[in-house]
Amino acid sequence: EVQLVESGGGLVQPGGSLRLSCAASGFTFSSSWMYWVRQTPGKGLVWVSRINSDGSSTTYAASVKGRFTISRDNAKNTVYLQMNSLRAEDTAIYYCTRLTHSGSYYVDYWGQGTLVTVSS
Amino acid sequence: QSVLTQPPSASGTPGQRVTISCSGSSSNIGSHTVNWYQQLPETAPRLLIYSNNQRPSGVPDRFSGSKSGTSASLAISGLQSVDEADYYCAAWDDSLNGFVVFGGGTKLTVL
Repeated sequence: EVQLVESGGGLVQPGGSLRLSCAASGFTFSSSWMYWVRQTPGKGLVWVSRINSDGSSTTYAASVKGRFTISRDNAKNTVYLQMNSLRAEDTAIYYCTRLTHSGSYYVDYWGQGTLVTVSS
Repeated sequence: QSVLTQPPSASGTPGQRVTISCSGSSSNIGSHTVNWYQQLPETAPRLLIYSNNQRPSGVPDRFSGSKSGTSASLAISGLQSVDEADYYCAAWDDSLNGFVVFGGGTKLTVL
């Protein structure tokens, strides 16, 4: 059974930092592209960042580029999202997801999500 | 503003058939397959339909998907109260090195 378990969310002040972790199991993690998606009541689901299977290629949404860093440790089956210079608009539930491919790329599994609240 | 456009709400009575639309552009739906997600209250989204019309194991055949040009639809037949949830469409987008874009979500109410 595929499982994605996020951790690391919480309350942080504007300008602060958080590191999210996502522990994966039930599939060959080292062969999978991973994706962070966030959800806010006002803006729905929005992609944040993705990383390829060996960590050599990363991509970021314009809203987080330069502030967030995605990485992975295939030995630990874990993907990370380092979030710096946090802003109020980064407040959201952050989901770790797996990207798969069948004709086109799509997200097939989601973690339970971790809430990040940026507020003073 | 979401890249894909969905109606914010839909409703139906038990047993009815309901459809939810999703509109995009040539860089996403027009070039790639469409996927649908169901999000029950206080839970994470789960994959409902992939590759336009394929159902993952465990998804009832009451759920079906279709795509034409730059639009797609999700149909739910034999509506049940357990179907009350938010539904999101998604597709890969070729812009800016490629990424998944989502619709704004449709809240389905079973009357």
